[in-house]
This record gives sequence, C-alpha cells and structure tokens, in this order.
Amino acid sequence: KNEVEQSPQNLTAQEGEFITINCSYSVGISALHWLQQHPGGGIVSLFMLSSGKKKHGRLIATINIQEKHSSLHITASHPRDSAVYICAVPLRGATNKLIFGTGTLLAVQP
Amino acid sequence: GAVVSQHPSWVICKSGTSVKIECRSLDFQATTMFWYRQFPKQSLMLMATSNEGSKATYEQGVEKDKFLINHASLTLSTLTVTSAHPEDSSFYICSARAERHYNEQFFGPGTRLTVL
Repeated sequence: KNEVEQSPQNLTAQEGEFITINCSYSVGISALHWLQQHPGGGIVSLFMLSSGKKKHGRLIATINIQEKHSSLHITASHPRDSAVYICAVPLRGATNKLIFGTGTLLAVQP
Repeated sequence: GAVVSQHPSWVICKSGTSVKIECRSLDFQATTMFWYRQFPKQSLMLMATSNEGSKATYEQGVEKDKFLINHASLTLSTLTVTSAHPEDSSFYICSARAERHYNEQFFGPGTRLTVL
C-alpha cells in the first residue's frame, strides 16, 4: 500500500465545474504539499499546509490531520487548470524528504 | 514567492558524454536542494539531497559516481550525469528548501535529458 494515495487518478470536467481531488496518507506528518505539473513537466508549488484550510484564487486546500486526509478544490474550473495535481508529504523521520502521490490528471474541457 | 530556475530546460547528447544541469534559487538562499528524476507517467523519485558546503546524500540505488552533485554556493547546485547512456534519458527536477518560507520546497521547471 502506498503511503500517499490520491483519487481520482483521472478526472475530466467541463469548464466551470467545481473540482475536488483527494489525498490520503498513512504517515504522521508536519505538513502536506499540493503541487501542479503542467504538460512539459514544470512543477509549481500550490500549497503547503499543516492544518485547516488555505485559499489562493480559485484554489482551496483543506487538511484533516486526525483523518490523515487532504482535499484540493478548484472553483469555476478553466481549461488552463488542466494539469497533473500531486500531493506530497514528508518522509517519516526526514522532514525534508517528500513522498509523492501518483498524481491526478485533470482535463477541463471548454 | 520563491523562484527556482534550471538550465538547460532540455538537452540532447550522445551516449558516453557528460551533461551538467544547473539549479539556482533566484531570490533566496537554499542550504538544501533536492534532485529528482521522473519517468513518463510516473511520480517523482528523489535521487539525492544536496547540502551546501558538504557532500550530497544519495538515495539507495542511485550511483553517486554516475550522478555527481555539487552545491558550491547557497544559490546553486549542479547535477552532472557522467558517461550518459540512453537509460539515463529522463526528466530531472530540482527543488530548493526556502528557510525564510517556512522550509517549503520550491521546484524548478525541470530539464528533459535525451541520450542518443
């Protein structure tokens, strides 16, 4: 069993839809990262959060430490949001090293 | 935010040659940088942790003589793929830990290496 699991693996949405991507992890963590990887490969760090909720523009990330679960929400989705979304948590005992989920491939259709 | 750059963004080389990839933190100092590789449709795999002024720490299974890492300054780490072979073709990504940003890691745009 992977220590970091994401769902769904693939997601297709229509422009304007509200999108949710989930991440569950099995290790105790200090913080969780949400990353975005566009076709072509570049990675952008979206959020690092250790509790509660963070919002940036149309993106919202929440985390429930007790349930070891985080969600990434995209409101009013747009085709430019199409990318792979990856959650990552620090490796147990090595806060600098990240374990990555397998990613969620999002395609937003116009 | 904190910006990390990589150079080159892509490189094609012949088998047997060496290739150097640079990772720079542009507006912050990073005592720790990380090098990852990513194969198509797979997740990132940590290769090594680069520490300024000291030797890099390699993950199990990563050949340190094959992937030379130098972190000579607080804003620059380099990865040299020595005697490259086609199986080294991959996407290489670096990240830098920004102490002034609560130790968050910021990722570079990646370097696509193709070895012919």
